[in-house]
Parts: sequence; structure tokens; C-alpha cells
Amino acid sequence: GENVEQHPSTLSVQEGDSAVIKCTYSDSASNYFPWYKQELGKRPQLIIDIRSNVGEKKDQRIAVTLNKTAKHFSLHITETQPEDSAVYFCAARRSSGSARQLTFGSGTQLTVLP
Amino acid sequence: DAGITQSPRHKVTETGTPVTLRCHQTENHRYMYWYRQDPGHGLRLIHYSYGVKDTDKGEVSDGYSVSRSKTEDFLLTLESATSSQTSVYFCAISRSGGEETQYFGPGTRLLVL
Repeated sequence: GENVEQHPSTLSVQEGDSAVIKCTYSDSASNYFPWYKQELGKRPQLIIDIRSNVGEKKDQRIAVTLNKTAKHFSLHITETQPEDSAVYFCAARRSSGSARQLTFGSGTQLTVLP
Repeated sequence: DAGITQSPRHKVTETGTPVTLRCHQTENHRYMYWYRQDPGHGLRLIHYSYGVKDTDKGEVSDGYSVSRSKTEDFLLTLESATSSQTSVYFCAISRSGGEETQYFGPGTRLLVL
């Protein structure tokens, strides 16, 4: 099955700096890669996603890049703000199968220091 | 929040007792999922459903069963709870085979003593 590794597990940045979180996946058939943000005590919420026919996608201060050859994808947050502090999860989903099963990374605790 | 509710939101139970968690959606989405979240493990899929009475196992299904008798409800049952099943349980839904985005419920915090 699919295996997703996420690094780093914790990340601290100064407010205004950029943050980068990286994930690798094992199944070359995976074609959908979402990123979720989870604030303390809350549910995971989708912040951005990318499909395998696209190399990069941006949404304001957030961007995701995908390298299919190397089987890795990254989340980039620019001009970080204290409200960006949360746990971020990457995930991967393969194109075949009877259900849209996502395999999640283990998460990155991002702390933005004022 | 995609019209998903979970009940109960918090539960404390004793080892060996049965526990049922409920996920209810108002979106008429076909796919429903149960995950557990533990520190250092992210979200792991327990079971999922792709229609009424259509369910299948996920990565960590041992000790859990599910049922879906109506589109809107997906039940997760721990037949005999163990301390290793102490966790936060999230339900998620997605619209159809062509819609990959999963929307999560608010979660249920379960403590097995």
C-alpha cells in the first residue's frame, strides 16, 4: 500500500518568514495530494490540494509543489503569521481502487513566533 | 463545516465494554470514512463506506466494525473496548468517486480505562 513520510515533525519560524514542509510518497500510481491544517482541538481542514497533472499550485500565501519523478511534494507558506500555527498533514491518494482512500503523513507542528 | 456531526463528542468507558460512535451527514455524500488520530501517527483509516450497506476495511480495522443502513449515518462499533483504542476518532465524507476532497467531522475523544 501507499506510505507517506512527512518532515519535519516540528518547525518553528519567526513571524514573516517562510515555512516549508516536505512529504514523500511510495506509490507511483498516486495522483491526488491534499494538505490539511488542524488547529488545537479542532478538525482537520483542507487548505490546498494538487493533482498529478500539475507541478505547482498557489493560493495567496500558500503554495504546493509536486515532483512526480522523485515522488515528493511540498507545502510552502510565505509571510507566516501567528494564526498559521497549527499541525499540518499531507496526504496521498492513488488513482485506482473502490474508494477514495487517503494515506496521511504523521504531521508537522508549525509554530510561528511573534 | 460540510454538515457533519459526530456523537458523542467525548466518552469515557471501561475496558471490555462495547462502544458505538455515530457519524451523521446532511450532504447526501456517498463516501464516508472513520479515522483514528494518535500522536505521531497522523490520521489512520479504520473503515470506509462507498454506499448503503457497502463497507470495507482500512489500515487499522482490527477490533472495529461498522454499519451503514442509511446514507446519512455511519456507525463505528468497538465490540469490546481496549486501552489501545483510546484515541480521537474522526469521521469524514466525500461526495463521489470524482470528488477527492474529504471533509472531516468535529471528532470524538474516547478514553478507555
